[in-house]
Amino acid sequence: AQTVTQSQPEMSVQEAETVTLSCTYDTSENNYYLFWYKQPPSRQMILVIRQEAYKQQNATENRFSVNFQKAAKSFSLKISDSQLGDTAMYFCAFRFHGGSQGNLIFGKGTKLSVKP
Amino acid sequence: GAGVSQSPSNKVTEKGKDVELRCDPISGHTALYWYRQSLGQGLEFLIYFQGNSAPDKSGLPSDRFSAERTGGSVSTLTIQRTQQEDSAVYLCASSLVWLAVDTQYFGPGTRLTVL
Repeated sequence: AQTVTQSQPEMSVQEAETVTLSCTYDTSENNYYLFWYKQPPSRQMILVIRQEAYKQQNATENRFSVNFQKAAKSFSLKISDSQLGDTAMYFCAFRFHGGSQGNLIFGKGTKLSVKP
Repeated sequence: GAGVSQSPSNKVTEKGKDVELRCDPISGHTALYWYRQSLGQGLEFLIYFQGNSAPDKSGLPSDRFSAERTGGSVSTLTIQRTQQEDSAVYLCASSLVWLAVDTQYFGPGTRLTVL
């Protein structure tokens, strides 16, 4: 079974600084997708960034970037120039490329607090 | 257009009662997913729909849970004879088609409390 592990239950960072959230996963598949979702106190899950496993280039979205290490099965999220609005739970998620399993498999989450 | 909506936003019920949770996906989205978020279990997949059919029901925790989708749009998740362990936030998501690369857009969830 596929598992996603986020080893940091809570983290904090000063506004304008950089923070990295860790995620590791376990799978025997070669083709899959990885995601980082953000869940602010309002509960609405929002996609932050997505990575296709067949792409070697790390995905970036403005202040958010990932470090994808396929051999190590590692997928960390770097947030640059942290803002107060980045305060939220962050979930790492895995999804198969094909087959009958369409769901996302989530890690337990990391609670990030950005301090002024 | 509008995002995924869910109703009610909060539901308090007594143990043993039945509840229905509703999800309105983004218009035109053919795939719909239900997840459950609880403190102890994190985010768990429950069921997904392609159109009106549910190819994978393996995530439903017991036979007290059922879901349906009609007209390829609205979905209802029904929990019969609720138990205290059913207390959680139930999240619905939809995507344009059922493809791994397709983004799942989430609703705000329904917080269910079973007394």
